Amino acid sequence: AQSVSQHNHHVILSEAASLELGCNYSYGGTVNLFWYVQYPGQHLQLLLKYFSGDPLVKGIKGFEAEFIKSKFSFNLRKPSVQWSDTAEYFCAARGAAGNKLTFGGGTRVLVKP
Amino acid sequence: NAGVTQTPKFQVLKTGQSMTLQCAQDMNHEYMSWYRQDPGMGLRLIHYSVGAGITDQGEVPNGYNVSRSTTEDFPLRLLSAAPSQTSVYFCASSSGTAVGYTFGSGTRLTVV
Repeated sequence: AQSVSQHNHHVILSEAASLELGCNYSYGGTVNLFWYVQYPGQHLQLLLKYFSGDPLVKGIKGFEAEFIKSKFSFNLRKPSVQWSDTAEYFCAARGAAGNKLTFGGGTRVLVKP
Repeated sequence: NAGVTQTPKFQVLKTGQSMTLQCAQDMNHEYMSWYRQDPGMGLRLIHYSVGAGITDQGEVPNGYNVSRSTTEDFPLRLLSAAPSQTSVYFCASSSGTAVGYTFGSGTRLTVV
């Protein structure tokens, strides 16, 4: 069965610290991968996506993610976080020919000023 | 450019009542989905549609019905509300498999 797992449920950081959130997926065949962010009280917004090509993808707000096929991973990184990065982050995956977008359980990130 | 519009934003139901959550998109997207969001469980797919007249079940379809009579609208019906359906519901749409989904602002539903 298709699944996405995020290992960190809560992360607390200070401003200017580096952030890395783990995401692993279990899918047969080619997979499309996404990271979404949900700021407090708001809906989900797309941070970045990977379909093919360069496994290091850059998204909005200084975020990037690296697709490592051998590890079935798609970890999200940001070199220096800001207080405004406080949010919940969701990894998601969809089969390249499919329509179902499967989400991980989310990681709540709190950035202390 | 409204994107994905969900109504209502908040709703309180009594156990056993029925209601319809509305979702409309103005981007001519073929794909639409309904998710529920519960703490610690991420978003779980309830039902989805790949075009007008075509729907299919997701991960947690029990207790919910959908229909897709037009490209724009994808309502979610709760047949007989239960406290376990207390959640935040998100509708999303996409133009194809090569792009991400655009999400609505959500409906917070409480069943008492």
